[in-house]
Amino acid sequence: GIQVEQSPPDLILQEGANSTLRCNFSDSVNNLQWFHQNPWGQLINLFYIPSGTKQNGRLSATTVATERYSLLYISSSQTTDSGVYFCAVEGLGGQNFVFGPGTRLSVLP
Amino acid sequence: EAQVTQNPRYLITVTGKKLTVTCSQNMNHEYMSWYRQDPGLGLRQIYYSMNVEVTDKGDVPEGYKVSRKEKRNFPLILESPSPNQTSLYFCASSLSAQETQYFGPGTRLLVL
Repeated sequence: GIQVEQSPPDLILQEGANSTLRCNFSDSVNNLQWFHQNPWGQLINLFYIPSGTKQNGRLSATTVATERYSLLYISSSQTTDSGVYFCAVEGLGGQNFVFGPGTRLSVLP
Repeated sequence: EAQVTQNPRYLITVTGKKLTVTCSQNMNHEYMSWYRQDPGLGLRQIYYSMNVEVTDKGDVPEGYKVSRKEKRNFPLILESPSPNQTSLYFCASSLSAQETQYFGPGTRLLVL
């Protein structure tokens, strides 16, 4: 099945810093989404982005489907950005959704 | 308010005692799915449903059953729970498989 890798596994930032999280996937995809799991365990969808670029406030994401990767940019990070960021994909020909292992982000005040 | 609800939120049970975790969404979504989250293993899909009466296996379906008799509900059934099913379970829904998924608050299950 499709494999999903994320880097870095852990990231520590000072408040106000910018960061880039990467998601690599092993095959073509129908669907790619980024999620944030906050320290209380709640999973929030950030972007549905199988290709192209989207922006939402301080967050933006770019997926280059032909090269099988996606990037999540966080600018001017805040302590509330802390948590784990997951990317998840659905390969062509199926509705099975596969999550990456996540990037754990800690933003220090 | 648009939401996905799960019940119960926390459950402690014993090996072999059948249990059901309910999931309900009020967004008229066609696609619903169950995941389990375990330390070191991440989030893995158990079952999903494209629409009423249509269900399919995810990556880790063993030991679980689901049903989709109505669009809004997608219960997860553990007929004979075992300790290796101790986990954090999430239900999710979306308009279709290729749309944004919305997650429930999670159900933390401990099987003794």
